[in-house]
Amino acid sequence: ETGVTQTPRHLVMGMTNKKSLKCEQHLGHNAMYWYKQSAKKPLELMFVYNFKEQTENNSVPSRFSPECPNSSHLFLHLHTLQPEDSALYLCASSRETGGIGYTFGSGTRLTVV
Amino acid sequence: DAKTTQPNSMESNEEEPVHLPCNHSTISGTDYIHWYRQLPSQGPEYVIHGLTSNVNNRMASLAIAEDRKSSTLILHRATLRDAAVYYCILGGTHGSSNTGKLIFGQGTTLQVKP
Repeated sequence: ETGVTQTPRHLVMGMTNKKSLKCEQHLGHNAMYWYKQSAKKPLELMFVYNFKEQTENNSVPSRFSPECPNSSHLFLHLHTLQPEDSALYLCASSRETGGIGYTFGSGTRLTVV
Repeated sequence: DAKTTQPNSMESNEEEPVHLPCNHSTISGTDYIHWYRQLPSQGPEYVIHGLTSNVNNRMASLAIAEDRKSSTLILHRATLRDAAVYYCILGGTHGSSNTGKLIFGQGTTLQVKP
């Protein structure tokens, strides 16, 4: 265990479904991130939160909706996804947004059918 | 965003040292050099980072060129568990090339042969 817990580990959803991914950390970190990793592509940064405030949205389609109720929890709400959204979704946290010492979760493997 | 260049893949024999190179000719003065690795079916994990001086920790050593335009991650004795994708990333605090975020490239896939 890394200290960053993601649930569920695997998710299969239809294109008309609504689902949520959850990320939780109790490392005392103040910054949290969502990354997407598609097959044979580098990790893509999606969203950055610092002290619960969103500081970066990397032109992510609105069918992905993040929520950060506190510094320990991060959600990614999914609706009307496309098959090309199938990927590994990784959550990370860090003490500050300086790029040092990110801790990643194991990810949620999402399949859109 | 500042870019890094790494070989796509490397091979090593078990229990031998491994030197993983990274070029970053556009590095800015405030950029840290970070190394992460991703084992199969896992998220990336932090390996080491440095600014100007060489760094050592329990996992690896980081050798930084004097002009900071390249660096080398050194695994002193590779094990089968070190087979992973290794990412060299630039980033740092305010004023750096990639302020407040880690931008991953393709990385180097390291294979370790028994």
